[in-house]
Amino acid sequence: RKEVEQDPGPFNVPEGATVAFNCTYSNSASQSFFWYRQDCRKEPKLLMSVYSSGNEDGRFTAQLNRASQYISLLIRDSKLSDSATYLCAVSRMDSSYKLIFGSGTRLLVRP
Amino acid sequence: SAVISQKPSRDICQRGTSLTIQCQVDSQVTMMFWYRQQPGQSLTLIATANQGSEATYESGFVIDKFPISRPNLTFSTLTVSNMSPEDSSIYLCSVTTGTYEQYFGPGTRLTVT
Repeated sequence: RKEVEQDPGPFNVPEGATVAFNCTYSNSASQSFFWYRQDCRKEPKLLMSVYSSGNEDGRFTAQLNRASQYISLLIRDSKLSDSATYLCAVSRMDSSYKLIFGSGTRLLVRP
Repeated sequence: SAVISQKPSRDICQRGTSLTIQCQVDSQVTMMFWYRQQPGQSLTLIATANQGSEATYESGFVIDKFPISRPNLTFSTLTVSNMSPEDSSIYLCSVTTGTYEQYFGPGTRLTVT
């Protein structure tokens, strides 16, 4: 089993739709969680940190479910510009500041 | 967040040669990392660049193939040695400033022929 798993997609949704991605992780002791966005041929950019209480930034909501060991990203009112690959990242527990990345979920928002 | 630059942005190299990639940050950072991302795949950590000491390599990566330097808190280099076509990839550096949040450089796209 991979340490961090994501549905590769692609998720193909119309503009204005709400879409949700999940990411499961295997290490129950992981403490830090992130969502990154990666556009084609670009570097990953930090989208959101994921806190235990959940957090929201405009149309984006991230949540953590420790009991089931997954994090989620909800995008409301999808825009064409949201089309990208979304990577989740989970910290290791060796105080090394290293992150383990999922393979990414591709989102295509169509007009 | 820190501003990170990488040089070169891309290169085409012949097999058997070596390429050194530079990563420069506009402020001092705690940690610097080097990743590889092959087409259509996620990020694979190569090593942690330690300031003033030898890099810490992940399983499957060795110093002879990927020597790394980090002479100060704002600069690191990764060399891809004795290249083969399998080394064709995007190489990315990332930095942290004391938390787990990592910020990435723009990447170096390497093609080995």
